[in-house]
Amino acid sequence: RKEVEQDPGPFNVPEGATVAFNCTYSNSASQSFFWYRQDCRKEPKLLMSVYSSGNEDGRFTAQLNRASQYISLLIRDSKLSDSATYLCVVTFIDSSNTGKLIFGQGTTLQVKP
Amino acid sequence: DGGITQSPKYLFRKEGQNVTLSCEQNLNHDAMYWYRQDPGQGLRLIYYSQIVNDFQKGDIAEGYSVSREKKESFPLTVTSAQKNPTAFYLCASSKLTAPYGYTFGSGTRLTVV
Repeated sequence: RKEVEQDPGPFNVPEGATVAFNCTYSNSASQSFFWYRQDCRKEPKLLMSVYSSGNEDGRFTAQLNRASQYISLLIRDSKLSDSATYLCVVTFIDSSNTGKLIFGQGTTLQVKP
Repeated sequence: DGGITQSPKYLFRKEGQNVTLSCEQNLNHDAMYWYRQDPGQGLRLIYYSQIVNDFQKGDIAEGYSVSREKKESFPLTVTSAQKNPTAFYLCASSKLTAPYGYTFGSGTRLTVV
């Protein structure tokens, strides 16, 4: 089982739609959670951190469910510019006391006019 | 402005050649990382370093080598032993403690010709 799993998609949605992505992680000791956005042939960029209480940034809402070990990203009122790949990222401290980031394979979103 | 710089942006390698990818950061980050990304795949960790003159193998280190002679620099050499080197290579840096401030370079696209 992969440490971080995402549905690769693609998710094809019309402009203005609401779309949600989920990501599951296997290590219950995971500490921090993030969503990154990656445009085609570019580097990933931090979209938002995910906090236990859930957090919102404009049209984007991130939620964490530690009991079920998943995080989610909700995008409301989708724009054409939201088309990208969204990477789920999980951090934990390994047995050598080293912080490790684990990336999901990403979920591709295509917003159509 | 602080940031992380990768060069070159595009690199072509002949079969049997070693090539070195550059990564420099001026963020005063202790940790630096090299990832490989193949089409439709997530990021896979090649090597990482948390301190000068020390580095650790990631999940796919075979056929690669690194050095960390300066805090700011973490070059990656793709050796002839790497059988399938065509990929997008991303360098990243971070602090060692949260918030990590994880930052990516813009990537190097390596193609074997």
